[in-house]
Amino acid sequence: GQQLNQSPQSMFIQEGEDVSMNCTSSSIFNTWLWYKQEPGEGPVLLIALYKAGELTSNGRLTAQFGITRKDSFLNISASIPSDVGIYFCAGQLDSNYQLIWGAGTKLIIKP
Amino acid sequence: KAGVTQTPRYLIKTRGQQVTLSCSPISGHRSVSWYQQTPGQGLQFLFEYFSETQRNKGNFPGRFSGRQFSNSRSEMNVSTLELGDSALYLCASSLGPGQHTEAFFGQGTRLTVV
Repeated sequence: GQQLNQSPQSMFIQEGEDVSMNCTSSSIFNTWLWYKQEPGEGPVLLIALYKAGELTSNGRLTAQFGITRKDSFLNISASIPSDVGIYFCAGQLDSNYQLIWGAGTKLIIKP
Repeated sequence: KAGVTQTPRYLIKTRGQQVTLSCSPISGHRSVSWYQQTPGQGLQFLFEYFSETQRNKGNFPGRFSGRQFSNSRSEMNVSTLELGDSALYLCASSLGPGQHTEAFFGQGTRLTVV
């Protein structure tokens, strides 16, 4: 089936560091969504991207919709302890609008 | 505006039993998707319903089924439970198929099969 390649799988960083993660696919998407999930909770939508090349910010988070419509990245600047969690990307297929999910990037902040 | 509501939050069942989980989408949302998430795993897509019809289905056995009612509320059922069915079951609602469809999740139902 359709797949999104999300990397890295996990990140161990120091508080204050910047974080970057990305998702790629061989399929074309018309929408990219980035979610964060904390333990025992459902994923929460962080950023939605609708147009190729679009760059959108939400506080310290910035995400971009790749120009080829096959990739997206999420950056977190100056990480803080509450950024800990699993970040998921999801892309909506251009062909049938089905939402395809990445496997997640687990962010851990070293004390 | 109320969010996505899933009930119950926690459930313990015995192997061989069946279980029904409920999801009430955001008002005005007509599409409901279900996902299974096991510890340390990503989201495994179960199925999606829109206007009471199953629109997409993931790769799960027939023991997993669902339905959607005219008010867009959805239920999923798992029959003959197995230990491996223990997971967090998440429901997401969206406006419906079409462009720019953001999905919003409930808090999930934590199912434990013993």
